[in-house]
Amino acid sequence: DVKVTQSSRYLVKRTGEKVFLECVQDMDHENMFWYRQDPGLGLRLIYFSYDVKMKEKGDIPEGYSVSREKKERFSLILESASTNQTSMYLCASSSKTSSIGQFFGPGTRLTVL
Amino acid sequence: AQSVTQPDIHITVSEGASLELRCNYSYGATPYLFWYVQSPGQGLQLLLKYFSGDTLVQGIKGFEAEFKRSQSSFNLRKPSVHWSDAAEYFCAVALNQAGTALIFGKGTTLSVSS
Repeated sequence: DVKVTQSSRYLVKRTGEKVFLECVQDMDHENMFWYRQDPGLGLRLIYFSYDVKMKEKGDIPEGYSVSREKKERFSLILESASTNQTSMYLCASSSKTSSIGQFFGPGTRLTVL
Repeated sequence: AQSVTQPDIHITVSEGASLELRCNYSYGATPYLFWYVQSPGQGLQLLLKYFSGDTLVQGIKGFEAEFKRSQSSFNLRKPSVHWSDAAEYFCAVALNQAGTALIFGKGTTLSVSS
């Protein structure tokens, strides 16, 4: 069974902390994505990666960075967490040669106090 | 710029009744269209997709969607709703067949009444 896993389902951090959200996929997908989901705003793309060590900014990259050192793992980093980064974060992956679409992880609900 | 509009924020349907969720897109070329469902506390699950060919596509859980180019629409339908269908539904447009750079609508929340 194909799977995208995220390191935490719930996370509570303090303002100013450095936060790491980890995502791992076992489908050998080239593409990986980070979205944030907020009520009334839907899903917004933060960053995506189409290969190891490659990254592209999405619609709302400010305040975030990413790391992709291995094909199966894509990390989202909040360098200095702020309260407006309280949100649900969703990771996804897709194959660049397949037309199946994106597979999503269960999400991490991050609260920044 | 490409965009996806889901006009209905929240819909309530009686169990056993039919369902139609609306989706309109704005995109100059042939779109790649998706519907996803998100159950409470879960990630998104792909219901169905349209790339080309037959404009009526079948998906999982008894859902179907019809692509209408003239109306720039890709509405999701189900003939008989079950209580377990209560969830949030997202329509999305992709700029390529591999599904990179998905543009999502803001979602429609479906409630099912008994």
